[in-house]
Amino acid sequence: AQKITQTQPGMFVQEKEAVTLDCTYDTSDPSYGLFWYKQPSSGEMIFLIYQGSYDQQNATEGRYSLNFQKARKSANLVISASQLGDSAMYFCAMRERPKTSYDKVIFGPGTSLSVIP
Amino acid sequence: KAGVTQTPRYLIKTRGQQVTLSCSPISGHRSVSWYQQTPGQGLQFLFEYFSETQRNKGNFPGRFSGRQFSNSRSEMNVSTLELGDSALYLCASSSLSTVHEQYFGPGTRLTVT
Repeated sequence: AQKITQTQPGMFVQEKEAVTLDCTYDTSDPSYGLFWYKQPSSGEMIFLIYQGSYDQQNATEGRYSLNFQKARKSANLVISASQLGDSAMYFCAMRERPKTSYDKVIFGPGTSLSVIP
Repeated sequence: KAGVTQTPRYLIKTRGQQVTLSCSPISGHRSVSWYQQTPGQGLQFLFEYFSETQRNKGNFPGRFSGRQFSNSRSEMNVSTLELGDSALYLCASSSLSTVHEQYFGPGTRLTVT
């Protein structure tokens, strides 16, 4: 079963507008972490933001914020005031923390974001 | 601070050969993770090392192995290469204080012919 779902394979946004990238996840572990990464065409993965399952507040990092809805198992990334340099692939990932085995790190299929001038 | 470095950046190998990829983490980072990225399977976690010990492992066959040295540098080895091993191999490092914040290297592009 797919554990990380990103339903938007490609998205367009006007420069300076806000955009939300969707991510839903599936886990039965109470302890887990959620991440968002950006991968420009150069290939290098860039860490954007992290949310722990026990964090009470939604994570924010500059123009990035994570809309964490635990009951719905969603962790959407919100980018405010989009810039041309935001054009890239965006990956949602989860690190599960099962008690009896290794941590598992799972990535979603990614969303390609294009910012239009 | 220098970033994560990976060598070589590009590699072409023949089926059946073996390959070793190297990753030097950011100075002070003791955790190193490896990922495989392909168009078909996306990003998949291979393994994670911390203080020379494998701490986590993904669902890959035993042909994929790794190790970490006392200076935190890590190598991953793939034996008996198959065409499907062609991929971008990414290495990421993190520190104890920010274990969830991984810094990735530029990757090694492996092509198996």
